[in-house]
Amino acid sequence: GNSVTQMEGPVTLSEEAFLTINCTYTATGYPSLFWYVQYPGEGLQLLLKATKADDKGSNKGFEATYRKETTSFHLEKGSVQVSDSAVYFCALRVNSGNTPLVFGKGTRLSVIA
Amino acid sequence: DGGITQSPKYLFRKEGQNVTLSCEQNLNHDAMYWYRQDPGQGLRLIYYSQIVNDFQKGDIAEGYSVSREKKESFPLTVTSAQKNPTAFYLCASRIQPSGNTIYFGEGSWLTVV
Repeated sequence: GNSVTQMEGPVTLSEEAFLTINCTYTATGYPSLFWYVQYPGEGLQLLLKATKADDKGSNKGFEATYRKETTSFHLEKGSVQVSDSAVYFCALRVNSGNTPLVFGKGTRLSVIA
Repeated sequence: DGGITQSPKYLFRKEGQNVTLSCEQNLNHDAMYWYRQDPGQGLRLIYYSQIVNDFQKGDIAEGYSVSREKKESFPLTVTSAQKNPTAFYLCASRIQPSGNTIYFGEGSWLTVV
């Protein structure tokens, strides 16, 4: 089946630190990969995505590269800000029919000044 | 503005009552989804629908029901059969067939009192 495993949090960083949140997946077929962000009390917002191997998604200083050989889609940011404090979800969707998103459990990030 | 509107934002239910959560979208999306989020957990799929008058069970459909009488609307009823309904509920939608990205509403908090 399809599944996503992401590193457990919480992750606490100082402002301007480097961020990595690991995400690996298993999938039947060829998935698209996503990172969503959830700020407190809100719904999920798409942060970035990649639809095929070696694609790099990027947005707001975050980036992730679709690595088919390691089945990974790790999220990185070079210098985090307090405003990046949120829960981050890695997700996949197999590109076939109306398959829904499959999510990881989420990683809570807290950035302190 | 286009988007997904969920209501109410907060809802309290007495044990034994059915409650309905509303989800409306004006994005002209074909597919719609309901997810449940529990603290410290990822999102779990309850039901999804790809066209009017059609829907499929997700991973945790027991104790829930849905309808899709209009393209724009996908209400979720939490029935008294759902033993642990307190959670954050997220509605989402996607354009078909080529749209890869799923967009989310702001969510509804349901608490059993």
